[in-house]
Amino acid sequence: EVQLVESGGGLVQPGGSLRLSCAASGFIFSSYEMNWVRQAPGKGLEWVAYISNSGRTIYIADSLRGRFSISRDNTKNSLFLQLNSLRVEDTAIYYCARFDPPVPGTIRVLDYWGQGTLVTVSS
Amino acid sequence: QPGLTQSPSASASLGASVKLTCTLSSGHTSHAIAWHQQQPEKGPRYLMKVNSDGSHNKGDDIPDRFSGSSSGAERYLIISSLQSEDEADYYCQTWGSGVHVVFGGGTKLTVL
Repeated sequence: EVQLVESGGGLVQPGGSLRLSCAASGFIFSSYEMNWVRQAPGKGLEWVAYISNSGRTIYIADSLRGRFSISRDNTKNSLFLQLNSLRVEDTAIYYCARFDPPVPGTIRVLDYWGQGTLVTVSS
Repeated sequence: QPGLTQSPSASASLGASVKLTCTLSSGHTSHAIAWHQQQPEKGPRYLMKVNSDGSHNKGDDIPDRFSGSSSGAERYLIISSLQSEDEADYYCQTWGSGVHVVFGGGTKLTVL
């Protein structure tokens, strides 16, 4: 059974930092590309970041580039999101989500999601 | 980059059927999309991918009550024999090289 379990959220002051983790199990983690998606309270889903299966290719949402970074440790089946210079508007539940295997000529979908970890930025 | 438009809300009676719509922006009307369900206080769950020809590929353990179809720029999620646990937010999602993941605004489904 595929499982993604996020951790590391909490209350942080504006300007602070957090490192979120996502523990993966039930599949060969090193073979899959991964993403982070967030959801502000009462709002919709917003894509945050992508990392290739090797970790060599990374994309961050334009509005977050420079403050957020994504990484992974395939030896520990773990995905990470480093959040720096946090702002009140970064308050959200952060989900890790797996990309389905690529198929030429069609879109990629997020085929498994974690339950999320809540980040609250407040003074 | 592709855009996705969803109605904010929908409602239908217990045991009835409902069709939710996701509309692709101009220039991207041949894209496939994915549907995700988010029940209250839970993380999203992948339901299915819906292709431009109306074919669809469901995720693991998704009931037969859930199906998809297409017409032009519109992609549909059809839920039949509505149950109380189908009351949830439903998001469509697509992807484009260089654009990465794009979500619609979501539709809140109320089961009456």
